[in-house]
Amino acid sequence: QLQLQESGSGLVKPSQTLSLTCAVSGDSIISGGYSWSWIRQPPGKGLEWIGFIYVSGSTYYNPSLKSRVNISIDRPKNQFSMKLTSVTAADTAVYYCARVRLTYGRALDSWGQGTLVTVSS
Amino acid sequence: QSVLTQPPSASGTPGQRVTMSCSGTSSNIGSNSVKWYQQVPGTAPKLLVYSDNQRPSGVPDRFSGSKSGTSASLAISGLRSEDEADYYCEAWDDSLNGVMFGGGTKLTVL
Repeated sequence: QLQLQESGSGLVKPSQTLSLTCAVSGDSIISGGYSWSWIRQPPGKGLEWIGFIYVSGSTYYNPSLKSRVNISIDRPKNQFSMKLTSVTAADTAVYYCARVRLTYGRALDSWGQGTLVTVSS
Repeated sequence: QSVLTQPPSASGTPGQRVTMSCSGTSSNIGSNSVKWYQQVPGTAPKLLVYSDNQRPSGVPDRFSGSKSGTSASLAISGLRSEDEADYYCEAWDDSLNGVMFGGGTKLTVL
């Protein structure tokens, strides 16, 4: 059974870089028909898509975050990662990683449990 | 403000049928498939509906999705207390070139 587990810094200072990794288990990250995504949810608010990466390495990012975000994939380690630069308090959120099922119209069909990242000095 | 518009709240009693809407434009719902997610407070979202009206295996047939033009709906029949959650619609937007979520509808089971 597929499992996704986020890990990374839970507290980041303003202007620094937020780094998170999503470890994938139960399937290969390079299985055909899937890509991989990051989504976030500020406390008490709705979901915001950050971006996704195909196994080829091609990426798509939320236009509002594009200048600050980078998503990469590590095939040997079966994981993918996200970096968000120049963070502010507005970047405080629960960050989720998820699998994108391409045959489901790019639906997010499996999610990690999420990890809270707080931006504060 | 979200690109996809959802009512902030909905409610129903056990056994009832409730529907919730998601309004978009020709660049998102009008030309791309709609997905629906259920998020019980404190947990990760779960995929309920994809490709407008398809259910992943394991999702009860009490949940059904539909779409007409630039609007989509999620219906829940035989409402249960465990259906109390936030529900989000989602679609790709061709103009913004990205995934867009609705603001979410909080369903209360009275």
